[in-house]
Amino acid sequence: GAGVSQSPRYKVAKRGQDVALRCDPISGHVSLFWYQQALGQGPEFLTYFQNEAQLDKSGLPSDRFFAERPEGSVSTLKIQRTQQEDSAVYLCASSLGVRVSHNEQFFGPGTRLTVL
Amino acid sequence: GQNIDQPTEMTATEGAIVQINCTYQTSGFNGLFWYQQHAGEAPTFLSYNVLDGLEEKGRFSSFLSRSKGYSYLLLKELQMKDSASYLCAVREGADAGKSTFGDGTTLTVKP
Repeated sequence: GAGVSQSPRYKVAKRGQDVALRCDPISGHVSLFWYQQALGQGPEFLTYFQNEAQLDKSGLPSDRFFAERPEGSVSTLKIQRTQQEDSAVYLCASSLGVRVSHNEQFFGPGTRLTVL
Repeated sequence: GQNIDQPTEMTATEGAIVQINCTYQTSGFNGLFWYQQHAGEAPTFLSYNVLDGLEEKGRFSSFLSRSKGYSYLLLKELQMKDSASYLCAVREGADAGKSTFGDGTTLTVKP
């Protein structure tokens, strides 16, 4: 189908290692979101793009987290020097655009990151 | 910022009706969403409210009262497949920006 895809689905990293998580949004969707979801909790907002512009990165927990969407389509979330507390599912979502009535978010399957 | 409260767990019987409540305290409000999330899967959209009142969509309905900071999701004719986590999310800004999610209500449907 033409849904949101994420890769890898599972990632195991050693503490201190850098990781890169990829998100392919639905074609034509202007907005892209990254969330972090810990077990038993709701998704926590990390950052938001409108096309290639990163409009809100207030949820990034530290300067070890960096996200980009250079051509306004695919996005990468990079975590440097991973720590055990970074272990979580990282969800990517896209939505059609701005000023649309519903503008619900379509979520990818997530990347489960485990830091040992 | 946003504070969103939902019950942690609920249990109901197949064929019954269940109401899941959500209260929120916000600095801004531009719509409230309900999502369903099965274990190990991504959230999927159920409903959207921006004006006060009831929105009905098949077996699912959602209600909003902006003055009370309150919403509920009503599930009718419960089926076993409705066992999932139900997430309430509030959108803050005027555009497509940030939504803040509650921690979800885990609903278990029993035969």
